[in-house]
Amino acid sequence: QVQPVQSGAEVKKPGASVRVSCKASGITFSDYYIHWVRQAPGQGLEWMGYIRPKSRGPYYAQKFQGRVTMTRDTSTSTVYMELSSLGYDDTAVYYCARDGYNLGRPYLDYWGQGTLVTVSS
Amino acid sequence: DIQMTQSPSSVSASVGDRVTITCRASQDISNWLAWYQQRPGKAPKLLIYAASNLQNGVPSRFSGGGSGTDFTLTISSLQPEDFATYRCQQANSPPYTFGQGTNVEIK
Repeated sequence: QVQPVQSGAEVKKPGASVRVSCKASGITFSDYYIHWVRQAPGQGLEWMGYIRPKSRGPYYAQKFQGRVTMTRDTSTSTVYMELSSLGYDDTAVYYCARDGYNLGRPYLDYWGQGTLVTVSS
Repeated sequence: DIQMTQSPSSVSASVGDRVTITCRASQDISNWLAWYQQRPGKAPKLLIYAASNLQNGVPSRFSGGGSGTDFTLTISSLQPEDFATYRCQQANSPPYTFGQGTNVEIK
């Protein structure tokens, strides 16, 4: 199936960090912007930021600046999102998605399957 | 931040019905708008980009329109696989906010 493949579910304690990976499978990754979007249980979608192609660096939503780090390993076509200082309201499914038209705008054509991050004491 | 408001929040419809969902932006976003379909437990699927452009592989019964602050998504003849939640997203300026969603339910 043509879909980015994300790492498995995580359970973390408050204050900890989590790193989610997103690997290209059947699609090209290295030349595209990759965005991260999260969805709290039963809630809507929240855009977190993106990483530019060819290791040109990330752009983060202001809400997450200082807490999120997005990186890319071009040798393995894998993108990573690390979120630190986790709180209970960070419990969500985290998605990576490709910006299919490569505008830096979120027209997201291929999505990962999602990674559930649960913050629990 | 740009606020995106969808209406209705839910709609009950039958197979074959025409359904229209609206999305209003709190400021002018030109045509920087996408529509997504999301089924329970699944990732969103891109239907429409740049307000009115049909994404490859999406059935032609889906169409989008509007510009500025007011947008629509229309399903011309509802099919069983179309019962899902639909969300708009503005792509004009970060943070790229989503509407709260419209749940299309079986009548």
